Amino acid sequence: EAGVTQFPSHSVIEKGQTVTLRCDPISGHDNLYWYRRVMGKEIKFLLHFVKESKQDESGMPNNRFLAERTGGTYSTLKVQPAELEDSGVYFCASSQVQGNTGELFFGEGSRLTVL
Amino acid sequence: GNSVTQMEGPVTLSEEAFLTINCTYTATGYPSLFWYVQYPGEGLQLLLKATKADDKGSNKGFEATYRKETTSFHLEKGSVQVSDSAVYFCALRRKGGSYIPTFGRGTSLIVHP
Repeated sequence: EAGVTQFPSHSVIEKGQTVTLRCDPISGHDNLYWYRRVMGKEIKFLLHFVKESKQDESGMPNNRFLAERTGGTYSTLKVQPAELEDSGVYFCASSQVQGNTGELFFGEGSRLTVL
Repeated sequence: GNSVTQMEGPVTLSEEAFLTINCTYTATGYPSLFWYVQYPGEGLQLLLKATKADDKGSNKGFEATYRKETTSFHLEKGSVQVSDSAVYFCALRRKGGSYIPTFGRGTSLIVHP
């Protein structure tokens, strides 16, 4: 069974440019999460999809970030325009069930560097 | 709100040494607690978990006990190997509400031969 895959693995862009990150969750997983880790700091929650619906987007830093999950399968996270402080590793995770005991399955992350 | 505090790293040990990585949490109610591990070049993966007070999670020689009285979930291993070198993340999921997992900052472990 394929795991969570993320693309690209690393992106280097200049301030003001646009970047789109993609996440393919494990097939059949309705729950999809985006997280971000800035160097050496905690992994911070960005948002949560249940199928194609945004269940919780309280962690999205501002309106330069736009997440979509059309059809309830893969998800994209667009940053437009990118700022220096957006640099970090963006993790996607998926899970089959909600609830507090379940495991999240993570992708390898997309490292974003904004120059 | 919910939060997880981990000891700062890196933790550098020789092979076969004893490992402790401290984790304390703040949460409303009684959350489930997790340790995730990220090996170089890979995504995070679940290492162990405990869902109620006094539960002990264990896997691959690692153990952690859910201590409600001290709000802690310290990770331990009696004899580390070079292959244990990774970043370890403590996390919680609160019962009730949105169940969004909250993670700590991660602790890097480096094990030398």
